[in-house]
Amino acid sequence: GAVVSQHPSRVICKSGTSVKIECRSLDFQATTMFWYRQFPKQSLMLMATSNEGSKATYEQGVEKDKFLINHASLTLSTLTVTSAHPEDSSFYICSASSGGQPQHFGDGTRLSIL
Amino acid sequence: AQKVTQAQTEISVVEKEDVTLDCVYETRDTTYYLFWYKQPPSGELVFLIRRNSFDEQNEISGRYSWNFQKSTSSFNFTITASQVVDSAVYFCALSWSGTYKYIFGTGTRLKVLA
Repeated sequence: GAVVSQHPSRVICKSGTSVKIECRSLDFQATTMFWYRQFPKQSLMLMATSNEGSKATYEQGVEKDKFLINHASLTLSTLTVTSAHPEDSSFYICSASSGGQPQHFGDGTRLSIL
Repeated sequence: AQKVTQAQTEISVVEKEDVTLDCVYETRDTTYYLFWYKQPPSGELVFLIRRNSFDEQNEISGRYSWNFQKSTSSFNFTITASQVVDSAVYFCALSWSGTYKYIFGTGTRLKVLA
């Protein structure tokens, strides 16, 4: 089946630093990629939708200047959490889709800000 | 507006018992898709099934079965003869025509006790 690789799987960093998370579709071209956030024992909340070569569409309440999304190619999207603070600690999951096909999810990134 | 409700927050069963996880959805679209995902403690999302709105046939896959009823807007998931390895959080999700976005329910945490 389709494979989506997300890296890193876990990151711990100090408050104020920026963290970049990569999402790669390994065996298909992902025209659309999605970024989700999941707090402990809660559901997945969609943060933004990105289409290759265009600006991401952010969900209501998500700060676009805080969570920078780049989808420069059909196989790679990145999420950068800028000036991260402890409240940004969460589990971030990406997914990729091609032409309306079901989303394929990465394994997630557990971000801890000290 | 689209919505997915998983009323059962947590269920505990003893191994070999059957268990049904409920999912109720809301959408005004006539074309939509319903999904079930499993999220084990490691965090990754494991795809279980996708069903489109025009296919109301129930499906069985090993110990798993799904009951889709448009009349009650439900897409319930049954695990027969549950096993400890079934312990996880299960999410129901909805997608609809014209978008590739998913809306997830709040999830049901299933604990299967030996």
